[in-house]
Amino acid sequence: GAVVSQHPSRVICKSGTSVKIECRSLDFQATTMFWYRQFPKQSLMLMATSNEGSKATYEQGVEKDKFLINHASLTLSTLTVTSAHPEDSSFYICSAPVGGVTDTQYFGPGTRLTVL
Amino acid sequence: SQQGEEDPQALSIQEGENATMNCSYKTSINNLQWYRQNSGRGLVHLILIRSNEREKHSGRLRVTLDTSKKSSSLLITASRAADTASYFCATDRAGNQFYFGTGTSLTVIP
Repeated sequence: GAVVSQHPSRVICKSGTSVKIECRSLDFQATTMFWYRQFPKQSLMLMATSNEGSKATYEQGVEKDKFLINHASLTLSTLTVTSAHPEDSSFYICSAPVGGVTDTQYFGPGTRLTVL
Repeated sequence: SQQGEEDPQALSIQEGENATMNCSYKTSINNLQWYRQNSGRGLVHLILIRSNEREKHSGRLRVTLDTSKKSSSLLITASRAADTASYFCATDRAGNQFYFGTGTSLTVIP
């Protein structure tokens, strides 16, 4: 089946630093990818839609200058958390629909970000 | 914002029993999907049901969809300890974006 990978799986950083998280579709092309954030014991909250070759679409309340998204190729989207603060600590998960339509989305294993 | 709500928030049953989780959503959908998440891990797709379908089966899973009530249920039959996880429903909307329900934490006691 389709596989989506994320790197790194876990990152700890100091407050004020920027962290880049990669999301790759390993055996299929994804013109669209989605980024979610999940706080402990809560559901996934859609942050933004990453579009290959164009600007990302952000959900209401998500700061685009805080969470920079770049979808540089058909298999890679990156999420950069800029000037991270402890409140940004969360589980970040990406997903990609197979075939360009949202019948089924395949999710990456997630990235656990801890900001000290 | 989240699209759906699930109940119960937490469910604890004995191995072998059936587990039923419900999901309600707010706007019209094209399809609804159920996902499973083990603690601290990514999501695993379980089953998709389209808006013109009422019931779907996959192994020990049975999903129903009532678009008039904007609700869906997930039934896991003959539960096993390995079914312990959080279960989320997800609904789509225009733009291919998915919204997740609040989730049900299932504990199956051996």
